[in-house]
Amino acid sequence: GAVVSQHPSRVICKSGTSVKIECRSLDFQATTMFWYRQFPKQSLMLMATSNEGSKATYEQGVEKDKFLINHASLTLSTLTVTSAHPEDSSFYICSARVAAGAHTDTQYFGPGTRLTVL
Amino acid sequence: DQQVKQNSPSLSVQEGRISILNCDYTNSMFDYFLWYKKYPAEGPTFLISISSIKDKNEDGRFTVFLNKSAKHLSLHIVPSQPGDSAVYFCAASAPGIKAAGNKLTFGGGTRVLVKP
Repeated sequence: GAVVSQHPSRVICKSGTSVKIECRSLDFQATTMFWYRQFPKQSLMLMATSNEGSKATYEQGVEKDKFLINHASLTLSTLTVTSAHPEDSSFYICSARVAAGAHTDTQYFGPGTRLTVL
Repeated sequence: DQQVKQNSPSLSVQEGRISILNCDYTNSMFDYFLWYKKYPAEGPTFLISISSIKDKNEDGRFTVFLNKSAKHLSLHIVPSQPGDSAVYFCAASAPGIKAAGNKLTFGGGTRVLVKP
């Protein structure tokens, strides 16, 4: 149980284009999803918290107009990197928090999306 | 200000022996702690967690110990297996604090190598 998927797993795009990454909780409902970014050999950096049906809460220093987050349902959140530039190249990981039950304080992570902007 | 620290960036252990990973935190509001295992180019996999009302939680080969007064937790893996070779992250949250937003604060990770 508690499986989170991400799509695509890998994407290469040209500078200036937009890329959408999907995060789905497959076997549970997630009221809250989180988006992280990981640079090589570093820990995960939280970008934003996404609550179903409301606006995302962005961490300090994260541009909300550049990283658009939509959490339209209890099982799907999307991250759109708009007008991507090479410095946006990174490993993006989402996580989902179980809506109810014994493990509501645990986040389950997706497999990640490797974005390369040329 | 790093609120969660893993002071050992790497650990090497022989197969069959015990792996002990340490984690320290500074924020006394944290009351829920988790350990994740991560392979390169993959998302973290949840291993085990512990609430601050406990000082020990065990699940198979994994045991987490929490010392609240010292703001210290550790993960014991015994016996260690070659498949355990990965990066391990500890994380902390304050689920009872609404302003914290259920966010996880991660340590920097410890790379574990289990030698056959």
